[in-house]
Amino acid sequence: RKEVEQDPGPFNVPEGATVAFNCTYSNSASQSFFWYRQDCRKEPKLLMSVYSSGNEDGRFTAQLNRASQYISLLIRDSKLSDSATYLCAPKGKDDKIIFGKGTRLHILP
Amino acid sequence: DVKVTQSSRYLVKRTGEKVFLECVQDMDHENMFWYRQDPGLGLRLIYFSYDVKMKEKGDIPEGYSVSREKKERFSLILESASTNQTSMYLCASSSGAQGLNTEAFFGQGTRLTVV
Repeated sequence: RKEVEQDPGPFNVPEGATVAFNCTYSNSASQSFFWYRQDCRKEPKLLMSVYSSGNEDGRFTAQLNRASQYISLLIRDSKLSDSATYLCAPKGKDDKIIFGKGTRLHILP
Repeated sequence: DVKVTQSSRYLVKRTGEKVFLECVQDMDHENMFWYRQDPGLGLRLIYFSYDVKMKEKGDIPEGYSVSREKKERFSLILESASTNQTSMYLCASSSGAQGLNTEAFFGQGTRLTVV
């Protein structure tokens, strides 16, 4: 099993729709979890951390399921500017941060 | 704001050259990382350092070495550059604390072409 797995997409979603991504991780000792956003030819930037109880930041909601070892990201009322690649990144007890390959999202006007 | 600075945005080197990629962070972070990113392969960890002079191999260390003589600086060295090392190289740093605010912050990337 790969360390971090994501559906590569692309997800082609009309503007205003809701879209959800999942990410599974194999290291059960992972301590912290993050979602990053990466625009074309740019470096990844933190979108949000994922807390054990789940958390929301505006239109974005992140959830963690430790038992099944996956994290999810939900984007509501999607905007054209949400088009990007979304990377999930668990952080292990050893502080290593391993990234998934990312899910490409295209918001269609 | 955290700043991670990579010394070059673009580099072109010849096969067999020794190449140094430099990265500096200004947030007193304990951890520093070197990744490479290739289409279809995502971000792959080359080396990781959790303290001065300490390093650990990542998933693809072959052909690379690193140096961390000062806390703020982490260098990636290609001992003898080869064409299959043409890639985007990304440096990152993070706090060594546990819990919140321990995410990685990235530099702008160095696009290396080996000819």
